[in-house]
Amino acid sequence: DTGVSQNPRHKITKRGQNVTFRCDPISEHNRLYWYRQTLGQGPEFLTYFQNEAQLEKSRLLSDRFSAERPKGSFSTLEIQRTEQGDSAMYLCASIGQETEAFFGQGTRLTVV
Amino acid sequence: RKEVEQDPGPFNVPEGATVAFNCTYSNSASQSFFWYRQDCRKEPKLLMSVYSSGNEDGRFTAQLNRASQYISLLIRDSKLSDSATYLCVVRANDYKLSFGAGTTVTVRA
Repeated sequence: DTGVSQNPRHKITKRGQNVTFRCDPISEHNRLYWYRQTLGQGPEFLTYFQNEAQLEKSRLLSDRFSAERPKGSFSTLEIQRTEQGDSAMYLCASIGQETEAFFGQGTRLTVV
Repeated sequence: RKEVEQDPGPFNVPEGATVAFNCTYSNSASQSFFWYRQDCRKEPKLLMSVYSSGNEDGRFTAQLNRASQYISLLIRDSKLSDSATYLCVVRANDYKLSFGAGTTVTVRA
């Protein structure tokens, strides 16, 4: 257990519904990342927070996606009007003063 | 061009064999380099950092070639438990982590 917690672990939703995922990073880590991974591919960068500030957002993140980290601790990733192409594993990672990124176990989203 | 490219494999090797594979990166300003291991349907976990002088951790040896912008990983005396996907990870100055698509290694008895 790396200390990064994500929930839910699995989510099945109907196309068009909204979903929200939560990530609790290691408590002293100020940097938090969201990645998306599909089968056979490496994780793709979605967005990055330093404390509560969202410093970078990938072009992969359409306007249906939004992420927040309101108090610089936990973060949420919301997908509105889900599409089948959103089906993937959504991974959260955090980094503190060291260089290693610690990943949560991910949320596996299936859009039916 | 992708920021990080890896040979996807799969590399299918017998126990005890040596297997090696590379990864190339496009951003010459990249500062930090890592190999992560990912088991099926699990999250990535750090295997080792890669230092300029090259480094070893038990049966694993990592090398960095900044001039040619590639990183390598060598696994000696392969074990069944080494079967996994190995992800090459590169970090630029702004702390963005870029991942390769992974190299799959299968060690057979």
